[in-house]
Amino acid sequence: DGGITQSPKYLFRKEGQNVTLSCEQNLNHDAMYWYRQDPGQGLRLIYYSQIVNDFQKGDIAEGYSVSREKKESFPLTVTSAQKNPTAFYLCATSGTGAYEQYFGPGTRLTVT
Amino acid sequence: LAKTTQPISMDSYEGQEVNITCSHNNIATNDYITWYQQFPSQGPRFIIQGYKTKVTNEVASLFIPADRKSSTLSLPRVSLSDTAVYYCLVGEGITGGGNKLTFGTGTQLKVEL
Repeated sequence: DGGITQSPKYLFRKEGQNVTLSCEQNLNHDAMYWYRQDPGQGLRLIYYSQIVNDFQKGDIAEGYSVSREKKESFPLTVTSAQKNPTAFYLCATSGTGAYEQYFGPGTRLTVT
Repeated sequence: LAKTTQPISMDSYEGQEVNITCSHNNIATNDYITWYQQFPSQGPRFIIQGYKTKVTNEVASLFIPADRKSSTLSLPRVSLSDTAVYYCLVGEGITGGGNKLTFGTGTQLKVEL
């Protein structure tokens, strides 16, 4: 956090519905990332974007989609095709050429 | 991507020095070693990063031997607030910007009185 906003903090949806998670940053960072974290597990990369209008799949992109129309924003849509969407979702950013990533506060999504 | 191996958990007491070792046998020439700290229901926070030898900042030290196949995060005089999960990551080299990091399951450090 401290420049990265994720909203909402908690999100509840019914199975079969698409849901979009918001990530906004004012750090002027070029790269943005979406991770998923399950209980007791590490973070897994869903999608990342190195520059506006460009993004690449991470390790677990199936069932997710993203867009990067603005430098400040990198929304993540969890589609109904994602078989187990309940998880803690984290957005991160990094500056050009920098290895350090800054993380947002996360959104906890529960799908029932 | 270089795979990392670190202990699942460690216990310590307040005021002690804690050393967490990470193995990364397949580290590439252009990879850096980075450590993050994560508290429950929060995003990870950067602690320290290094390429070789020793790096020190206000919160930790990072020791990297010459072969770079392992690294050790050293936390001096831990307190209860240092109870967290610590991740060792080896990052891909930068190509055109962006940096893919692979997080393992980390080391759960528990500090007691």
